[in-house]
Amino acid sequence: QQQVKQSPQSLIVQKGGISIINCAYENTAFDYFPWYQQFPGKGPALLIAIRPDVSEKKEGRFTISFNKSAKQFSLHIMDSQPGDSATYFCAARHRGSTLGRLYFGRGTQLTVWP
Amino acid sequence: EPEVTQTPSHQVTQMGQEVILRCVPISNHLYFYWYRQILGQKVEFLVSFYNNEISEKSEIFDDQFSVERPDGSNFTLKIRSTKLEDSAMYFCASSGFDRGLAGGMREQYFGPGTRLTVT
Repeated sequence: QQQVKQSPQSLIVQKGGISIINCAYENTAFDYFPWYQQFPGKGPALLIAIRPDVSEKKEGRFTISFNKSAKQFSLHIMDSQPGDSATYFCAARHRGSTLGRLYFGRGTQLTVWP
Repeated sequence: EPEVTQTPSHQVTQMGQEVILRCVPISNHLYFYWYRQILGQKVEFLVSFYNNEISEKSEIFDDQFSVERPDGSNFTLKIRSTKLEDSAMYFCASSGFDRGLAGGMREQYFGPGTRLTVT
């Protein structure tokens, strides 16, 4: 059973464009939603995260939009750059998990063309 | 900037052999985790660890797996008798404590991973 569904699987964007990656979840016990960026051969690196009591969080060119009623959240990358080309994972943390087990989406491979 | 480190970066082993994957979490972190990523698939939780005890484990973390914090800095994952399907990238992660946060846990920071290949 997929706890966190992520789409699209791959995304190609031109330099300067907006990249949008979407995630959806079913479990209302999730209380924290991080996004991770992963370059080939590296571990996932925390990019930005949001809690369900806010609808939007922005850090530089990266914005998370959160729709609690729809149980959806998305990552927007403004002015996408070739250096943003990586795999992006959304994740969710279960409130009932003592140490905050993360459930990951399947990942989106983003390619930004120069 | 502090980071999680893992050794080795790549381990090749024969089916049935034991392997130990090593991690050095960020020094002031209290919570430790192992995740794995089979090639091309999502990252999956294996186990979490605090105060020298397993806090939570997934259905993947069966009796072949064990974790240990043998000293004040290392955190290890042992696979007793490796199977072909254990081939994956194994990530260690650590997290600090923040009294002001719900649940007290800060973000999880991941190491670069150990690629385990079982032949």
